[in-house]
Amino acid sequence: NAGVTQTPKFRILKIGQSMTLQCAQDMNHNYMYWYRQDPGMGLKLIYYSVGAGITDKGEVPNGYNVSRSTTEDFPLRLELAAPSQTSVYFCASTPRRGETQYFGPGTRLLVL
Amino acid sequence: RKEVEQDPGPFNVPEGATVAFNCTYSNSASQSFFWYRQDCRKEPKLLMSVYSSGNEDGRFTAQLNRASQYISLLIRDSKLSDSATYLCVVNPFNFGNEKLTFGTGTRLTIIP
Repeated sequence: NAGVTQTPKFRILKIGQSMTLQCAQDMNHNYMYWYRQDPGMGLKLIYYSVGAGITDKGEVPNGYNVSRSTTEDFPLRLELAAPSQTSVYFCASTPRRGETQYFGPGTRLLVL
Repeated sequence: RKEVEQDPGPFNVPEGATVAFNCTYSNSASQSFFWYRQDCRKEPKLLMSVYSSGNEDGRFTAQLNRASQYISLLIRDSKLSDSATYLCVVNPFNFGNEKLTFGTGTRLTIIP
């Protein structure tokens, strides 16, 4: 099992550009999550999904979009990147609600 | 009051010493509790779940105090490799709330 994988590892964007952060898991987990982590801060939930075709907003969804067409993949789309979106983005998955979450290695994003 | 609150530290502790962290949570209906470990520039990883009766895993002991709404983590005979940030994680388990709540973390440095 590869677990949770994320690509790219690192990206620099210019203000106003768009990009998609990829996340995939091979553990057949229904629940998937996107977090951002700013320096010295806790993880903040952006979006989550409880299964293919079902997504919902977390605490900080503005400026992001998600889709979940398969159980394995949960991409995060940034439209019109802003400097405030400079952060480390983690994707996570879990087999059941409220249980241990397994994290991907993260994507470091710098918006200049 | 924050949902999950931790002393950010840093805790600088000599090798071989015992160190303890506390974490308080605001939702008395919270059902499950975890300690995660996060190394610098890496993803969070589960250290241990916290059970009502308390539990131990080698040098690590976790305790839950529901009456006072806090959980604790004790590390005995600390090693240099224990240097990391320790995240307190709580599942509020409100109906329809699919997320875990992460504390901002306590930073631990073990000094040779």
